[in-house]
Amino acid sequence: KAGVTQTPRYLIKTRGQQVTLSCSPISGHRSVSWYQQTPGQGLQFLFEYFSETQRNKGNFPGRFSGRQFSNSRSEMNVSTLELGDSALYLCASRGVTQETQYFGPGTRLLVL
Amino acid sequence: DQQVKQNSPSLSVQEGRISILNCDYTNSMFDYFLWYKKYPAEGPTFLISISSIKDKNEDGRFTVFLNKSAKHLSLHIVPSQPGDSAVYFCAASAWSGGYQKVTFGTGTKLQVIP
Repeated sequence: KAGVTQTPRYLIKTRGQQVTLSCSPISGHRSVSWYQQTPGQGLQFLFEYFSETQRNKGNFPGRFSGRQFSNSRSEMNVSTLELGDSALYLCASRGVTQETQYFGPGTRLLVL
Repeated sequence: DQQVKQNSPSLSVQEGRISILNCDYTNSMFDYFLWYKKYPAEGPTFLISISSIKDKNEDGRFTVFLNKSAKHLSLHIVPSQPGDSAVYFCAASAWSGGYQKVTFGTGTKLQVIP
């Protein structure tokens, strides 16, 4: 079974721009979660989607948004980028009854 | 409010010795606990887990201990190997609104010195 894939792997943007990151979960997994990792901050939860519905949301500003498609693929969008948005963005998927999440390799975003 | 805490941001251990990584939690509703390992520039990978009905789970060199009364869990790695050098995240999950909600700790960076 193919793992979780994320595109692009690396991205450089400038302040004020917007960015869209993509995540394809493991086949059959309907839950997709997004996390932000910055040095010293661990994994900060952004949101979780299940069957195209957002069912959980972390404490991030409204500039961070996401969506999930009918094939369970998910996108995350960050508008009006700030320098502090530079981070590794991780996507994770899991099955319906699973507590274990499977992570993708992440997208490294650098905001200049 | 950080419900899952890893108070040691880093840990150095000699190769062959035991590594003990600790994690504390505050939410008594957590009923499943996991450890993930993360290498730089990669996503975390699942390592080992434990249900709240157990107090120990072992998988090869890795053992997780759960002390529910103290709201504390620990990961023991014996013997430690240089390839174990990575950031380790503990995570805890609880049923909320009909599904398992997962909360991660801030991570502990383990360095195993050859």
